[in-house]
Formats: sequence, C-alpha cells, structure tokens
Amino acid sequence: GAVVSQHPSWVICKSGTSVKIECRSLDFQATTMFWYRQFPKQSLMLMATSNEGSKATYEQGVEKDKFLINHASLTLSTLTVTSAHPEDSSFYICSARDRADSANEKLFFGSGTQLSVL
Amino acid sequence: GENVEQHPSTLSVQEGDSAVIKCTYSDSASNYFPWYKQELGKGPQLIIDIRSNVGEKKDQRIAVTLNKTAKHFSLHITETQPEDSAVYFCAASPTHTGNQFYFGTGTSLTVIP
Repeated sequence: GAVVSQHPSWVICKSGTSVKIECRSLDFQATTMFWYRQFPKQSLMLMATSNEGSKATYEQGVEKDKFLINHASLTLSTLTVTSAHPEDSSFYICSARDRADSANEKLFFGSGTQLSVL
Repeated sequence: GENVEQHPSTLSVQEGDSAVIKCTYSDSASNYFPWYKQELGKGPQLIIDIRSNVGEKKDQRIAVTLNKTAKHFSLHITETQPEDSAVYFCAASPTHTGNQFYFGTGTSLTVIP
C-alpha cells in the first residue's frame, strides 16, 4: 500500500520549453502533496505544499510563476516547469500524505523525475 | 525553525558489521522522526519511524533510538549487506508546522562485500 507514482522518470527538453511532471497516489487519497527539489549529493529542498482544491503554498525563494502546481483531485498533483532553463535541471520528487492517516504523519515519496534542460 | 543535523555524511562498513547514523534536532515540538533510504536515481523510501512517546523501535535488522531530552535520534543497521548501500536521510516533524518535514543532509552508506 501507499504507492506514489511519478512520471516521467526522466525528461530532456530544450531551453524555453515547459515540462509537466505528474504525481499520483495509487492506493490512497492525498489531501496534501509536497514537491521537492534535490541537487546531486544534497538533501531534499521543499519547494511547495499542494492542497487539493486550493492554491499551493510556496517556500521562500521559489517562483510560483516558474513552478506551477495544480492539485485538482485527491490523487493527482502536477508540477509544470515553465520556460525551463539549464539552471532548472535537477531531480524533482513529489510526496503525499494519506488522507486516512489520522496522525497526519507519514510521507510517501514518488520515484523522482530527473529534468535536464539543454 | 527546526534544524536537523546528520552525521556522518559518508560511512563505509564491512559486510556483516553494524552501521550507526545519528541526527540531532532543535525544535522540542518535533514529535515524529522518520528515516528514509534513497537509492541512486530513485525517490526516498520510508524504512522506519519513531514517535516522541517511544524510546526505541526495531524492525528486523533496523532499529531507531530516540532521546528526547538530548534531542537526538539514531538509526542502527545490524548485519549489513551490500544492498543496504544507499543514502539515508533522517527527518523531524514539528506539530506546529503542520507536520512539515525537516530533513537531515543525508549519509551515504557503502557496505563493502
């Protein structure tokens, strides 16, 4: 149980194009999903918190117009990197909380998306 | 805000030996402490967690200990195997942040056959 599916696993795009990454909770409903960015050999950096049916909350320093987050259903959140540039190249990971987790604790992670912008 | 420190950053052990990774946290309101294993090119996987009302938890070869007074918690892996090689992250979750996770900087564990 508690499987989070993330697609694509890797993507290469040209500078200036937009890339959409999908995050799905397969066997549970997730009212809250989180998007992280991870550079090589570094820890996870929280970008934004996504709540179903409302606007995402972005961490300080993260451009909301650059990284568009949509959480239209209890099982799907998407991250769109708009007008991508080489500096946006990174490993992006989503995570989700099970709505049924009354303690609101456990986080389950997707498999990550390696974005390379040429 | 919460600050989580993790040591060591790299750790090499011989197969069969034990590995210990330590984390400290600063926010006394943190009450949930998970450990994640991340293999290259993959997302983190939850391997064990502990709540603040428990001092120790064990799951086969993996155990976690928590000292709330000293604000530190540790991951113990016994009888290590090559497949244990990965990056391990600790995290702390304070209730007043809506259970947001604060991650340590990671430990790259290598188990030498």
